Amino acid sequence: DQQVKQNSPSLSVQEGRISILNCDYTNSMFDYFLWYKKYPAEGPTFLISISSIKDKNEDGRFTVFLNKSAKHLSLHIVPSQPGDSAVYFCAATGAGSYQLTFGKGTKLSVIP
Amino acid sequence: EPEVTQTPSHQVTQMGQEVILRCVPISNHLYFYWYRQILGQKVEFLVSFYNNEISEKSEIFDDQFSVERPDGSNFTLKIRSTKLEDSAMYFCASRVDGNTEAFFGQGTRLTVV
Repeated sequence: DQQVKQNSPSLSVQEGRISILNCDYTNSMFDYFLWYKKYPAEGPTFLISISSIKDKNEDGRFTVFLNKSAKHLSLHIVPSQPGDSAVYFCAATGAGSYQLTFGKGTKLSVIP
Repeated sequence: EPEVTQTPSHQVTQMGQEVILRCVPISNHLYFYWYRQILGQKVEFLVSFYNNEISEKSEIFDDQFSVERPDGSNFTLKIRSTKLEDSAMYFCASRVDGNTEAFFGQGTRLTVV
């Protein structure tokens, strides 16, 4: 039972353009969502989060959008840089639980 | 900047042996976690620990696994009688509370041969 889904295993974007990573969830009780970036052989690094009381949160080049009615969130990276190339994980928490439930990840490749 | 530290970075063990993976969470954090990632698969929750006891555990976290916070700073994961399928990256994480981001360590790569 995949409660957090990232349906695109990979994404390639030209340097300087926008990267859009998508995530869907099924549990309507989730109330806090996070994006993590992961390089090979390293732990996930926190990027940005959003509470269910908001629909947008911005931090520099990173913006997360939340559409609660569609149970969908997205991460926008503008402008994309080669150093952004990594696997991006969407995670969710709530529903009376403190664990983070992760999606399978999307591998982003930013082409110079 | 405070960080979660894990040791060792790589552990090779023979099938059937016991291993202990060690973590030092960030000092003012109250929630502690173990996750694992089998090569090519997603990051999977194993267990959460709060107030000196397990608060949640997944189906993966069976009697083979145990956690301990022996001295107020270390947080350990013990795997008894390791199996080949236990080979994975094991990540420790900690959070200030249940409504903030979790910070992850660099991971321990466990290889069972």
